[in-house]
Amino acid sequence: GAVVSQHPSWVICKSGTSVKIECRSLDFQATTMFWYRQFPKQSLMLMATSNEGSKATYEQGVEKDKFLINHASLTLSTLTVTSAHPEDSSFYICSAERGGSGGTGELFFGEGSRLTVL
Amino acid sequence: AQTVTQSQPEMSVQEAETVTLSCTYDTSESDYYLFWYKQPPSRQMILVIRQEAYKQQNATENRFSVNFQKAAKSFSLKISDSQLGDAAMYFCAYRRSGYALNFGKGTSLLVTP
Repeated sequence: GAVVSQHPSWVICKSGTSVKIECRSLDFQATTMFWYRQFPKQSLMLMATSNEGSKATYEQGVEKDKFLINHASLTLSTLTVTSAHPEDSSFYICSAERGGSGGTGELFFGEGSRLTVL
Repeated sequence: AQTVTQSQPEMSVQEAETVTLSCTYDTSESDYYLFWYKQPPSRQMILVIRQEAYKQQNATENRFSVNFQKAAKSFSLKISDSQLGDAAMYFCAYRRSGYALNFGKGTSLLVTP
């Protein structure tokens, strides 16, 4: 199977600080990664699409200057929450598409990162 | 835009019984994928079953099967012989190749002994 690792699994930070979350594909090259946010008892909402070597595409309503996404290699995408505030507290989860996946359409998910901003 | 609708916020089933979770979607595309994901309290997303839209045959995975009605844009999940470990949040999702997964709001499944 394809493994996606996300780090850290949980983080607590003070309001106004920045937090970086990493998403790594361990055994495959991920041409595209997707970042989702999930608030308690809600569904996963797409934040942005990250393509290796190019700028991320953000969904409407997601502040690109606040949620910085970098996809510098085929195995790593990072999400940086800048100047975090309590309303940014949420569960962030990444998923990756394996290049040449043979048309399965399947995306592989990281374990998620729970962010708490005090 | 594609939308995925799960009309059952909560469902309950007795152990060993069968339960069906409903999902409808809206799309103008003919080629796409449909998925059911399970999310336990750990919040790890677990793929339950996948269906390619071009395939008429309904997908099955052990105790899990789907009823895919393309014309009606319906994709229900049937869980047979329910087990306590099946209790979780279940999300129906739609995807076109190259695009992100689009999730429904989810159905919380409770399994009672």
